[in-house]
Amino acid sequence: KQEVTQIPAALSVPEGENLVLNCSFTDSAIYNLQWFRQDPGKGLTSLLLIQSSQREQTSGRLNASLDKSSGRSTLYIAASQPGDSATYLCAVRVKAAGNKLTFGGGTRVLVKP
Amino acid sequence: EPEVTQTPSHQVTQMGQEVILRCVPISNHLYFYWYRQILGQKVEFLVSFYNNEISEKSEIFDDQFSVERPDGSNFTLKIRSTKLEDSAMYFCASPAVRLAGGNYEQYFGPGTRLTVT
Repeated sequence: KQEVTQIPAALSVPEGENLVLNCSFTDSAIYNLQWFRQDPGKGLTSLLLIQSSQREQTSGRLNASLDKSSGRSTLYIAASQPGDSATYLCAVRVKAAGNKLTFGGGTRVLVKP
Repeated sequence: EPEVTQTPSHQVTQMGQEVILRCVPISNHLYFYWYRQILGQKVEFLVSFYNNEISEKSEIFDDQFSVERPDGSNFTLKIRSTKLEDSAMYFCASPAVRLAGGNYEQYFGPGTRLTVT
């Protein structure tokens, strides 16, 4: 059974600092990995999707890497802003588990002005 | 970004009552999903629905739950007799942006917060 873990559970940084969020998964046979943002009491906003054949994906200040063999992904957010404060979730789509996503517990980020 | 909508945004119900949560997924898609998130816990998969049939369900999705597509656009999740532990945020999701190799990106609705008292 796929397990997805995100460390740290919470992170607080001053504005302007780069953020590094980690995601690990136990089953490397994945189709893709998706990063989401969740604001308090709100839905999930898709940020980036990395296919299993890719090593990284970039969108603006966001960059996500994938090391499938070691079961790890890292989300980098450059030059953080207070508006980046949210919970960031990673989720994997596992080949042996149909099309559903398996989620990590998230990293709650606070960017202080 | 493709939009998935859900109604109501918040539902309060008494234990034992039936609730129906509604979703309008991305149009022309055959695959739909329901997930839930109990406060402070992980987002959990409930059920996937493909071409008007359940294609996969989790152990959470017991006989109290059912899904339907009552018309061409709506997609519902029904809980027949709610329990306190059903209190959670319920999300529907729809795949979009088909990528190479059969991959696609899932888009989530804003969720329905269900409170069972």
